[in-house]
Amino acid sequence: EAGVVQSPRYKIIEKKQPVAFWCNPISGHNTLYWYRQNLGQGPELLIRYENEEAVDDSQLPKDRFSAERLKGVDSTLKIQPAELGDSAVYLCASSFGNTIYFGEGSWLTVV
Amino acid sequence: AQKITQTQPGMFVQEKEAVTLDCTYDTSDPSYGLFWYKQPSSGEMIFLIYQGSYDQQNATEGRYSLNFQKARKSANLVISASQLGDSAMYFCAMRGYGGATNKLIFGTGTLLAVQP
Repeated sequence: EAGVVQSPRYKIIEKKQPVAFWCNPISGHNTLYWYRQNLGQGPELLIRYENEEAVDDSQLPKDRFSAERLKGVDSTLKIQPAELGDSAVYLCASSFGNTIYFGEGSWLTVV
Repeated sequence: AQKITQTQPGMFVQEKEAVTLDCTYDTSDPSYGLFWYKQPSSGEMIFLIYQGSYDQQNATEGRYSLNFQKARKSANLVISASQLGDSAMYFCAMRGYGGATNKLIFGTGTLLAVQP
């Protein structure tokens, strides 16, 4: 069974540029999460989806971040415009039941 | 409010020895789950073990076991017979099953170094 797939794996952009991350969850997992992990810290939730619905986006900086999960499967997280402080690892995760599985993450460096 | 505390920023262990990574938590949810994840330098967050708050027995998965002490609100991870490949960052996490709190929150992690 394939795990959570994310792309791109690494991205370097200049500040004020846009960037997008894509996530394909484990088949059959109706819950999808986007987390941000800053260097030396634990991940923090940005947004949680139950199928197509964003049920918890309280931590998403909505002035520059947006996310969508069309058809309740794949999801995209966008940052526009990126700032230096957005440099982090963006982790996608999915779950069906108790266990939450993570992808390899997308490493973003804003210069 | 929910909180996870990992008080050991770093740990050393000799290969083949056992090691315990500490985790304490705080929650007002009557039902919750506790998780441990391993994060090697590649960045992937690898699920290791899960303990439900109403589980009667401590969870075990191969060389990993979770020492769950509900009254003390602790959920320590025990790794037996450490291997060089166990060197990584380890995160304790909790998920409350109380509606709005149904999200995974993480501690700050413990960096484990296994020495030959």
